[in-house]
Amino acid sequence: DADVTQTPRNRITKTGKRIMLECSQTKGHDRMYWYRQDPGLGLRLIYYSFDVKDINKGEISDGYSVSRQAQAKFSLSLESAIPNQTALYFCATSDRDYQETQYFGPGTRLLVL
Amino acid sequence: AQSVTQLDSQVPVFEEAPVELRCNYSSSVSVYLFWYVQYPNQGLQLLLKYLSGSTLVKGINGFEAEFNKSQTSFHLRKPSVHISDTAEYFCAVRLETSGSRLTFGEGTQLTVNP
Repeated sequence: DADVTQTPRNRITKTGKRIMLECSQTKGHDRMYWYRQDPGLGLRLIYYSFDVKDINKGEISDGYSVSRQAQAKFSLSLESAIPNQTALYFCATSDRDYQETQYFGPGTRLLVL
Repeated sequence: AQSVTQLDSQVPVFEEAPVELRCNYSSSVSVYLFWYVQYPNQGLQLLLKYLSGSTLVKGINGFEAEFNKSQTSFHLRKPSVHISDTAEYFCAVRLETSGSRLTFGEGTQLTVNP
């Protein structure tokens, strides 16, 4: 079983709709992250959370919100989707240690029409 | 603020040829450096990382990278590539002072041709 799972894997939605992407992990890590990937831009950090009560904005948080429901669950919401939010979204986790390697989920491909 | 630049967006090579994927960073404080690989339709996985110590770092699948502080570079190399190395490669940097936040480069698509 995968350590970091994301649902759904693919989603098509319309402009103005609310959508939630979910991430779950079984690695027991405290830290979780949401990134979006766009061609030619690499990955950019949307939000991150160092524990259940700690939520922080990343470099491109406008138009997004998150919820850390438990240590193992971190959800990303688009309150009112727009076409330029079409992208590949990744969740990642890391442990609170010196090395802090990040482990990535398989991604959610989102298309906003 | 730190930034990461991957100098080549696409690198085509023939099988069994050597390859170098270039990465430069800018930062005024100490950094930790990473290379991640993304195979088609998959998430990212760690290839190797430099945290401290020896500047030559060996990773999985025969890849290695060298941290060059004076040139602020962390180039990825493999002496002989395989078809299965076809993937997108991302360089990333984490500041010693930024907690665990990573800044990624734009990515380099490596295509290995027979």
